[in-house]
Formats: sequence, structure tokens, C-alpha cells
Amino acid sequence: EAQVTQNPRYLITVTGKKLTVTCSQNMNHEYMSWYRQDPGLGLRQIYYSMNVEVTDKGDVPEGYKVSRKEKRNFPLILESPSPNQTSLYFCASSQGLEMFFGPGTRLTVL
Amino acid sequence: GENVEQHPSTLSVQEGDSAVIKCTYSDSASNYFPWYKQELGKGPQLIIDIRSNVGEKKDQRIAVTLNKTAKHFSLHITETQPEDSAVYFCAASNSPGFQKLVFGTGTRLLVSP
Repeated sequence: EAQVTQNPRYLITVTGKKLTVTCSQNMNHEYMSWYRQDPGLGLRQIYYSMNVEVTDKGDVPEGYKVSRKEKRNFPLILESPSPNQTSLYFCASSQGLEMFFGPGTRLTVL
Repeated sequence: GENVEQHPSTLSVQEGDSAVIKCTYSDSASNYFPWYKQELGKGPQLIIDIRSNVGEKKDQRIAVTLNKTAKHFSLHITETQPEDSAVYFCAASNSPGFQKLVFGTGTRLLVSP
């Protein structure tokens, strides 16, 4: 089944404790992206990647890092999480017009 | 950069009624306008899209209209059903390949039986 998977689905952590949210797609898509969803703000792009080893900032990149060592994986790294990064995160991939989203990761930073 | 505004933020209708969600965009270079549906606990899913060389597109009970002059586009759902209840996002893109999407703030649609 063609899909985007994210792990973990839920995470509660404390300020300053480094964490990684993994994202993997099995559709051989070149384009991958991370979004955060907050009430009243919709979906905002954090980082995107056009292909392996090619990443770029989206609209809200502060406090996040990404890497794209393999085509299928695009992890999101929070080196020192802060409470304002509490949000619902979505990974997505695309090879054309349609963007395929993962199921989301709900992150709470205390 | 592009800015997309979406209204209303919430919309309640009775089953069988029509629902209309409206979006405006700021960048006249935008040329691709998709609509995504997000069901509870899931990621958004593409339901319909339109490109700037077309004024209207229809797929069964859903349709999208685009007015490039006014820079606005709308989603129309006819004969609404309870399973249409979800959050709907509009988006716009002006990037090659249409992969850079700027999303609206979302509309929560509730269809009551």
C-alpha cells in the first residue's frame, strides 16, 4: 500500500530534550516536506526536500533541522524543543500534483 | 510571498444542503489551487484541484470555481452527507511542479443528519 508513515504518533517531552520524528514513504517520491498544524493557522511548511541531499527552509524553520540521506526517509529533528513547538506535525511526499500526507505526530513540549 | 485567506472557519449545514467555502490568494503568479480534506485523526487528503487555465471543475458532488481576476476560488459541496464532516483546506502554488503549497487556515464543516 502506497503510504507515508510517521513515528511516533504521539510524544510528550520536556523542554531541551532532543527528539527526532521519523518519516518514510514507499512511493519513490522525490519531494518531501514537513508541516505543522496549529489552530487558526492552518498548515505551515517547516522544511522541504526536492531530492536526496537537497533540503531547504519553508516558512517556519526556526528550531528545526532535517536531513535527506535516503530518498524514502526525511526525519525532523528538534535539537532543543521549546513549548512553542507543541503542535501537530505532518510529513508529506509528492511526485506531481498530489501531496500525500502521513497520519500526523502530536507533539507536546512541557 | 503568497498568502491564502479562507472563510468561514466553521460551517454547519443540514444533511442535503449545499456548502460553500471561499479562499482568496495574494500572488497573481499562483496557478494551481488544490483542496484537501482532513478527517479526524488523519492527514489531509486531496479531493479536487484546479489549474489557472480552467474556470471550473466538477467531480460528482464537489466542484471548484476559480476567478483569476479577483484572485479567489471556492469549493462547492452539494447534497451534503454526514461523512462530508471534516476540516477542509484550500491551497495555492506558484512553484514549478506545484509542490510548494501555501495553505489557508482551514474550515471545519459539520453536516448534521
